[in-house]
Amino acid sequence: KQEVTQIPAALSVPEGENLVLNCSFTDSAIYNLQWFRQDPGKGLTSLLLIQSSQREQTSGRLNASLDKSSGRSTLYIAASQPGDSATYLCAVEVEGAQKLVFGQGTRLTINP
Amino acid sequence: DAGITQSPRHKVTETGTPVTLRCHQTENHRYMYWYRQDPGHGLRLIHYSYGVKDTDKGEVSDGYSVSRSKTEDFLLTLESATSSQTSVYFCATNRGGTGELFFGEGSRLTVL
Repeated sequence: KQEVTQIPAALSVPEGENLVLNCSFTDSAIYNLQWFRQDPGKGLTSLLLIQSSQREQTSGRLNASLDKSSGRSTLYIAASQPGDSATYLCAVEVEGAQKLVFGQGTRLTINP
Repeated sequence: DAGITQSPRHKVTETGTPVTLRCHQTENHRYMYWYRQDPGHGLRLIHYSYGVKDTDKGEVSDGYSVSRSKTEDFLLTLESATSSQTSVYFCATNRGGTGELFFGEGSRLTVL
């Protein structure tokens, strides 16, 4: 059974810092990996999608990497801003299933 | 934004009563999903649909049923609500192929 883990569960950093969020998964047979952002009381917003054949994806100040063989992904946020404060979740799509398995998320707080 | 609308957004009901949550999408996405989100458990898949009248169970399907009579609508029914079904329920859609998942704003259900 695929399991997805995100460490740490919470992270607080001052504004302007570059930071890395981690995601690990137990079964390397994935179709893709997706990073989401969730604001309090809201739904999830897709940030980046990495197909299993890709190594990384970039969008603005965000960069996500994928290492299938080691079962790891990282989300790099450059020059963090208070507006980046949210919970970040990663999810993997099990091959051929069109279903995602989610980690429990990292709650990020950026202090002004 | 896949134009996903969930209704109702908030509901309080009593144990033993039936409850139906509705998800409506305007993007003609093939796949639709119902997740529940609970502290300590993250997001867990309840049921999903891969086409009109085509549905399958997810990780936590006991006590829930679904129906999809039209591409745009996916209904989640709790036949006899229990307190353990108190949760926030999210609908999501996927065009298929790319794997990117789009979420609704959530429906908060409280079962007393």
